[in-house]
Amino acid sequence: DVKVTQSSRYLVKRTGEKVFLECVQDMDHENMFWYRQDPGLGLRLIYFSYDVKMKEKGDIPEGYSVSREKKERFSLILESASTNQTSMYLCASSFRGEQFFGPGTRLTVL
Amino acid sequence: GNSVTQMEGPVTLSEEAFLTINCTYTATGYPSLFWYVQYPGEGLQLLLKATKADDKGSNKGFEATYRKETTSFHLEKGSVQVSDSAVYFCALSRSYIPTFGRGTSLIVHP
Repeated sequence: DVKVTQSSRYLVKRTGEKVFLECVQDMDHENMFWYRQDPGLGLRLIYFSYDVKMKEKGDIPEGYSVSREKKERFSLILESASTNQTSMYLCASSFRGEQFFGPGTRLTVL
Repeated sequence: GNSVTQMEGPVTLSEEAFLTINCTYTATGYPSLFWYVQYPGEGLQLLLKATKADDKGSNKGFEATYRKETTSFHLEKGSVQVSDSAVYFCALSRSYIPTFGRGTSLIVHP
């Protein structure tokens, strides 16, 4: 059974902290994605990666960075967390256009 | 650019009612089309897909037909159950970057 896992289901951080969200997939997929999901706004793409060490900005990259050192792992980094980054963060990998999602991390920044 | 428009929710139905959630898209070329479902507290999962015009995707009693002439991919189910209560996302994929609709919440009452 294919799987995308995320390091935490719930996370609470303080303003200004550096936050790492980890995502791992076991399907050997080339493409990986980070989204945030907010009520009324749907899914918004933050960053994606189509190969190891390759990354591209999505629609809302400001305040975020990413790292992909290994094919199976794609990390989202909040350099200095702010309260407007409180959200649900979803990681996905894809194959032939179909997306495979992790369970999500609900991040609260106080 | 590509875009997906789906009907706003919430859609509220009684058990065993007929369901239609409308989805239309704008894209160049011939995208693949998808419906994803998100149950409370979880990530999205694929419900069904269609990769070319006139294809019908089906799963768990849900169906959608790829209509190129009307650029639509409406989701239907003949008899909904309480367990179908979830958020439904229409999406297209052209190359490897997906475009999602904003999601439609479905609430089914006993």
